Amino acid sequence: QSALTQPPSASGSPGQSVTISCTGTSSDVGGYNYVSWYQQHPGKAPKLMIYEVNKWPSGVPDRFSGSKSGNTASLTVSGLQAEDEADYYCSSYAGYNTLVFGGGTKLTVL
Amino acid sequence: EVQLLESGGGLVQRGGSLRLSCAASGFTFSNYAMSWVRQAPGKGLEWVSAISNTGGSAYYPDSVKGRFTISRDNSKSTLYLQVNTLRAEDTALYYCAKGINRAGTPTFFDFWGQGTLVTVSS
Repeated sequence: QSALTQPPSASGSPGQSVTISCTGTSSDVGGYNYVSWYQQHPGKAPKLMIYEVNKWPSGVPDRFSGSKSGNTASLTVSGLQAEDEADYYCSSYAGYNTLVFGGGTKLTVL
Repeated sequence: EVQLLESGGGLVQRGGSLRLSCAASGFTFSNYAMSWVRQAPGKGLEWVSAISNTGGSAYYPDSVKGRFTISRDNSKSTLYLQVNTLRAEDTALYYCAKGINRAGTPTFFDFWGQGTLVTVSS
């Protein structure tokens, strides 16, 4: 039940694209299509942005997209906007009815 | 509108206990699994428990197994977390989160509350 590995920070200018990685193992990210991504602004609750690797909840703009290759999942934010500046967390089902989160990535819009 | 309102947090001494509550509204509570997720100050998210829609199945990570107990009262649309033998590392904001199906298996959460803060003093 080790945490998934995310880069601590990422950045991009408005209008650019940025990709955040989330690396696990074959027991979590690589073994199941239950990778999710959450956005958290300071002092706020997390918000679901992507579920089941690449699906959008209602209301989330399609500028946010998810993918997975092997044991690494990725979140890409296209057309960066100032309001995208936040912390982003990935999570994955890890078998045996457990869930594991990544350590989080602070996205800065330059 | 889905609302999740946590309560019950506070300052407690090491070794002490607390019972956290989460009052749900805006959806049919008895149809969905629920979870608790915590976040230590300035740190990341950690899933700490999940429960099926009926309360018949409950799951925990090794870090809290045997000390935390999740339960629910569907007649009151309320989720609970009993936290015992508290340690300094249990200091965190505890969120309740709504699952997307009936089974307790935690996959992802589509709604979160605002959290209740638990502070363990030594």
